[in-house]
Amino acid sequence: EAGVAQSPRYKIIEKRQSVAFWCNPISGHATLYWYQQILGQGPKLLIQFQNNGVVDDSQLPKDRFSAERLKGVDSTLKIQPAKLEDSAVYLCASSWTGAGAGELFFGEGSRLTVL
Amino acid sequence: GIQVEQSPPDLILQEGANSTLRCNFSDSVNNLQWFHQNPWGQLINLFYIPSGTKQNGRLSATTVATERYSLLYISSSQTTDSGVYFCAVVPGNTPLVFGKGTRLSVIA
Repeated sequence: EAGVAQSPRYKIIEKRQSVAFWCNPISGHATLYWYQQILGQGPKLLIQFQNNGVVDDSQLPKDRFSAERLKGVDSTLKIQPAKLEDSAVYLCASSWTGAGAGELFFGEGSRLTVL
Repeated sequence: GIQVEQSPPDLILQEGANSTLRCNFSDSVNNLQWFHQNPWGQLINLFYIPSGTKQNGRLSATTVATERYSLLYISSSQTTDSGVYFCAVVPGNTPLVFGKGTRLSVIA
């Protein structure tokens, strides 16, 4: 069974530029999550989707971050304009059911460096 | 929100040694997972263990939900065990909340 796929693996941009990350969850998983992991810290949730609807985006900096999951399968996370403090690894995860039940599986992550 | 505390923050072991990593959480949880983050940054699932004890090879984990802690045991450590070990919990219907991790270095 294929795992969670993410791309690109690495991205270097200058501040104020834009970037987009893509995630394809495990087949059949209804719930998709985007986490941000800053160096030396544990991952922190940015947004959770259940099918194509947003369940929780309370920690998403909406002035610069946006995410969508239009057909309830793959998802895109966008940052525009990027700031230096956005340098981090962006992790996508999926689970069979919604939060509160079900094991989460993570992709390899997309490492962003903002110069 | 819930607090997840992991100890020790750093651990250095000689190859072949055993270790115990601890995860304390401040409120009741529905689920708990242990992950190993390898040097390339990928989070690898170790255990999905809201309660009870599980074993997988040299690793085992125990969660005592009523006392709000979980333990991860690593026996006969190998250099490939190096990396960061994260405990993550699900309080109520919210998504996983991570601790700060335990950084393990196994020296040959």
